[in-house]
Amino acid sequence: EVQLVESGGGLVQPGGSLRLSCAASGITVDNSAMHWVRQAPGKALEWVSGINWSGSNRGYGDSVKGRFTISRDSAKNSLYLQMNSLRPEDTALYYCASGEAADSWGQGTLVVVSS
Amino acid sequence: QSVLTQPPSASGTPGQRLTISCSGSGSNIGTNSVNWYQQLPGTAPRLLFYSYNQRPSGVPDRFSGSQSGTSASLAIRGLQSEDEADYFCAAWDDSRNGFVFGTGTTVTVL
Repeated sequence: EVQLVESGGGLVQPGGSLRLSCAASGITVDNSAMHWVRQAPGKALEWVSGINWSGSNRGYGDSVKGRFTISRDSAKNSLYLQMNSLRPEDTALYYCASGEAADSWGQGTLVVVSS
Repeated sequence: QSVLTQPPSASGTPGQRLTISCSGSGSNIGTNSVNWYQQLPGTAPRLLFYSYNQRPSGVPDRFSGSQSGTSASLAIRGLQSEDEADYFCAAWDDSRNGFVFGTGTTVTVL
């Protein structure tokens, strides 16, 4: 059974940085497509970033390009999202998901950007 | 920000067949398969249907997807009260090199 556990969310001021982590079990992140998806309160899902199974293709949503970076650590079997230059509109619940079709999801970690 | 368009709400009575639509463009639905997700209140999304005709294990066969041209639809056969949730479509977009999600549809069982 795949388990994904996100952490690293919290309250941060505009312009600040946060690093989200997603610890995986039941899969090997190095051999899996992985995604970050966010959901602002009462809003739709928004794809933030993804990496294909080989790591050769990393993509970002238009609203986070140049500010967020996705990476993974095979030793810790974890996925990360480095978020810089945070804006109030980045406030959301951030989910980690695995698989080409995002077939397994974590429970999310909340990021609040506010002064 | 959502690239795929869904009706904001849909409703039906128990046992009824309900269909949710998802409209996109040639760079997403017109080229790639559509995924459907169910999100029960206060929970993470759950994959319901993907890759044109695949259903993850544990998903009832009451849920089925189809797509044609730049549109897709999710059908729920034999609607049940436990199907009350938000439903989202998604597809890979070749021009954006990323996934795009739908606006979401809230299903109510009357």
